[in-house]
Parts: sequence; C-alpha cells; structure tokens
Amino acid sequence: GEDVEQSLFLSVREGDSSVINCTYTDSSSTYLYWYKQEPGAGLQLLTYIFSNMDMKQDQRLTVLLNKKDKHLSLRIADTQTGDSAIYFCAEKGGENTDKLIFGTGTRLQVFP
Amino acid sequence: DTEVTQTPKHLVMGMTNKKSLKCEQHMGHRAMYWYKQKAKKPPELMFVYSYEKLSINESVPSRFSPECPNSSLLNLHLHALQPEDSALYLCASSQRGWGDYEQYFGPGTRLTVT
Repeated sequence: GEDVEQSLFLSVREGDSSVINCTYTDSSSTYLYWYKQEPGAGLQLLTYIFSNMDMKQDQRLTVLLNKKDKHLSLRIADTQTGDSAIYFCAEKGGENTDKLIFGTGTRLQVFP
Repeated sequence: DTEVTQTPKHLVMGMTNKKSLKCEQHMGHRAMYWYKQKAKKPPELMFVYSYEKLSINESVPSRFSPECPNSSLLNLHLHALQPEDSALYLCASSQRGWGDYEQYFGPGTRLTVT
C-alpha cells in the first residue's frame, strides 16, 4: 500500500519542542521529506533524510528515521508562532519513479 | 534561487470557460509537476514532465491538458471544468525526473469553478 499516516493536530506552547510523527508503508523509499505549508501558500521543503541515516539535524529541526518500524519524526526545537502551519511528510514511491507520496498532514498550532 | 512562480494567484471561471495556469522555474530543473490540493488534504499528483516529455499522467480527466513548451515553462490548460475541480493547483520542479531529487513548489493557483 501507499498510505502515509500522520496525526491530524498538534498544539504546543511557544518555546517548547514539537514532535510531528509519520508512518509510511513503502520500505523501498530512499528519501523521505518534510514539507511545511502555511495557510493559502505552496509547500516549502524543510528538510529530508536518506534512508540509510537514522538522524539528521538542521538548526532547530531534527529528523529521526526508524526504518524497521517505517516511522519518521520531525522535532522542532524552541517552537515559535511562525512555525504554525501544516506539516507534510512525503516519500518517493521507489527509486526510479517521479511520484512523491504525501502524508495526511499535521496541523501545528503554537500558542503564546 | 529556488523559486517556482505560478500565475495567476487566483482564478474564477465558469464551466464553459477555457483558461490556462502557468508555471515557471529558472533553476535548470528538467522535471516539472502539477498537483491538485483540496482543502485540508495532501497534494495529489496529476502530471509529471521529464525532459519536456509527459512521463506520468495519473488518470486525470481530459478537461485538464498539460503542456511543457520548454524546460522552464509548464502550462495547464483548463476547459469545461466542474465545480468539484475547485482546488489549489500546485506546480513543482526537481533537478531530474528520476532518482532522489527534492521537489520545489510554487505558491499555487487557487481555482474556483462556478
């Protein structure tokens, strides 16, 4: 199957860490991505991780990959109100395909 | 520069109209994509062009007609649309049409069909 699941909603206080989770099903995916979408806007590529890595850190963002459980997470440190958006994980549907399969999206709300 | 531009930003059209959406990138990318996104849903792939040739058509109705005049431009021609086609249409590009190259998205065109 090609279902990529995410929890629908996450609410955090400003300054706290946010953790957004994603479960994917295609074990042949070589790259996994995190995109951010603000209201009425397109998708912004935040970061990505190669499938032979367990972790990738990029400033306030940390991506963890558990390939055995097909679980991907995005941790945002020191969450700010500007981080409020919908976050989509995405996987390539195999190495030799152009198709990007998106998760269901998690709406992150940051309150003061 | 990782910018993908789309015009128009908003479009309202009747069911008998013919209109076009435009997408442009100057990053030297050789793959370009059209996605459709309904409210509160993830983007759904419609078409992929790789080296100016249509490589994927996700069983999209013929009232949507893509065109890739050159490696920097991608159009989506619309004709006889239905109200359920109202959505945000996103264009994206990537370095190549295969392999693991990240896709960069434009801001989208919000289409309303009346």
